[in-house]
Amino acid sequence: QLVLTQSPSASASLGASVKLTCTLSRGHNNYAIAWHQQQPEKGPRYLMKVNSDGSHNKGDGIPDRFSGSSSGAERYLTISSLQSEDEADYYCQTWDTGIHVFGTGTRVTVL
Amino acid sequence: EVQLVESGGGLVKPGGSLRLSCAASGFTFTDAWLSWVRQAPGKGLEWVGRIKSKNHDGTIDYAAPVKGRFSISRDDSKTTLYLQMNSLEIEDTAVYYCASSIADAFDLWGQGTMVTVSS
Repeated sequence: QLVLTQSPSASASLGASVKLTCTLSRGHNNYAIAWHQQQPEKGPRYLMKVNSDGSHNKGDGIPDRFSGSSSGAERYLTISSLQSEDEADYYCQTWDTGIHVFGTGTRVTVL
Repeated sequence: EVQLVESGGGLVKPGGSLRLSCAASGFTFTDAWLSWVRQAPGKGLEWVGRIKSKNHDGTIDYAAPVKGRFSISRDDSKTTLYLQMNSLEIEDTAVYYCASSIADAFDLWGQGTMVTVSS
């Protein structure tokens, strides 16, 4: 069964970095995922697609301080130079034949 | 402007029906695979279903909780996506988003429309 696991929360100080993890279920190590940001009271916004080799394709207008990487079954989103507007929920998403799956989301707090 | 705009949400009684629309602009609608995603109050994102482009047979898939009750369609001439929701349950209360992709990752989202199922 295709499942994505995310930690419920993360926090870091203004100007610091934070690294979020999305873990694919067993047997799905080679799957790509996408990261989406949802600021309070807003709809989701596409950030990037992260492939199993660590390459990533960002959406239009996504700042350089957002980057993606991979290791085994884990997919990462790193936010550098944290800004107050980065305080949001971050969801990973993947797909297989006939289905799409979301992780439960990580709430990022900027201290 | 590249955008998706949902409409049609509202208050409906359990067992009732509602049709949502998602108007697209600024991109090649005929190539897009289009999904509905919902978010119950205070909860995470849940995929509802997806319709492929006609170039990919227009295949439609649904998530288990809505299969048999919800129906997705598209009108490429109007660049509009639809979600027909029947036999609505209280658990269907959510903000409904449409999202587009070229085959996989959702790279464009709408702003959402609220559906409340309550007696």
